[in-house]
Amino acid sequence: ETGVTQTPRHLVMGMTNKKSLKCEQHLGHNAMYWYKQSAKKPLELMFVYNFKEQTENNSVPSRFSPECPNSSHLFLHLHTLQPEDSALYLCASGGIYGYTFGSGTRLTVV
Amino acid sequence: SQQGEEDPQALSIQEGENATMNCSYKTSINNLQWYRQNSGRGLVHLILIRSNEREKHSGRLRVTLDTSKKSSSLLITASRAADTASYFCATDGETSGSRLTFGEGTQLTVNP
Repeated sequence: ETGVTQTPRHLVMGMTNKKSLKCEQHLGHNAMYWYKQSAKKPLELMFVYNFKEQTENNSVPSRFSPECPNSSHLFLHLHTLQPEDSALYLCASGGIYGYTFGSGTRLTVV
Repeated sequence: SQQGEEDPQALSIQEGENATMNCSYKTSINNLQWYRQNSGRGLVHLILIRSNEREKHSGRLRVTLDTSKKSSSLLITASRAADTASYFCATDGETSGSRLTFGEGTQLTVNP
């Protein structure tokens, strides 16, 4: 375990489903991040939260809705996804001296 | 555009050989970091080198930084099959605030 826990590890969902990804860290970090990693593509930063406030949204479609109730928890709510949204979703926490990543959620949209 | 760009995109070597991966970046940085990612898993922080450092070692890892050329290299000596993974550089950059910008990664395959 890295200190950042992501659940579930795998998720298969239909295009009309609603699901949520969860990320939890107890490392005392104030910043948390969602990344998308598709096959043969670079890491794509999706959202940044600092002290529970969203500080960055990289033009992510509204079918992805983040939530950060406190500095230790981060959610990514998913609804009406497309097959091209299938990817590995990574959560991280930390700052300029290093990030700690979770193991990711492998999402498949069918 | 990506702050960090790794070179080569893919590298295949035999066990026992050394592996060298390079990273170039565009803007001034405070530090540069290297991460490793096993297939389908999260990234793991390997080493950080500050902008005022030129070389840093950690076990079989050696990182160099040339701020005049805006480039860094990661050397893995005496490679093992277990070193097979993707390796990413990340920079903080003066304009990126507290967040890091990751390169596209080098896929290293170490054949037994």
